[in-house]
Amino acid sequence: GESVGLHLPTLSVQEGDNSIINCAYSNSASDYFIWYKQESGKGPQFIIDIRSNMDKRQGQRVTVLLNKTVKHLSLQIAATQPGDSAVYFCAENTSASKIIFGSGTRLSIRP
Amino acid sequence: DAGITQSPRHKVTETGTPVTLRCHQTENHRYMYWYRQDPGHGLRLIHYSYGVKDTDKGEVSDGYSVSRSKTEDFLLTLESATSSQTSVYFCAISEPPTGNTGELFFGEGSRLTVL
Repeated sequence: GESVGLHLPTLSVQEGDNSIINCAYSNSASDYFIWYKQESGKGPQFIIDIRSNMDKRQGQRVTVLLNKTVKHLSLQIAATQPGDSAVYFCAENTSASKIIFGSGTRLSIRP
Repeated sequence: DAGITQSPRHKVTETGTPVTLRCHQTENHRYMYWYRQDPGHGLRLIHYSYGVKDTDKGEVSDGYSVSRSKTEDFLLTLESATSSQTSVYFCAISEPPTGNTGELFFGEGSRLTVL
């Protein structure tokens, strides 16, 4: 079926450390994956995306890794800052721009 | 920020009443989406549109209908609201590059409470 899930609902990280948020998906035909960040009271905002013909993509302080063999993707945030506190969602394009989201991971930063 | 306006931003209504949420965009994007967000469920796709008068169902479409009579507006209607439809509703838009999928831009959300 079409589902996107997350391993952990919450993640606590020391400020300055790297954060890794994981996501599993079930649709082998999905060809595009996106990570979104949602701050309290706001709509989700795009962070980074990756197409199925890639296994790694880097942005500013963020890296997304895609492992199609085990249907897993991860978001790595380098040098985590207080402003990174938010809920992070992975999403997949299951077919024809039908974008399905996972349930989210709440990232909190310890000073 | 993408030009997306949702209205109303907050609404309280009673069970059995009809409710319409409006999403208005000024970006001329082809795709528009309605999601609902509930604790523990993340964002769930209700309906989406890939052009004027072209719509399709999402994951949780029962109890909802949509209409898109012009590019800039996508309406979500609850014909007879139920308490289970209490949620925050997000509209999103996208303009995929030819042959690809594009990122979604989200509105600020509409909080609906059904008593």
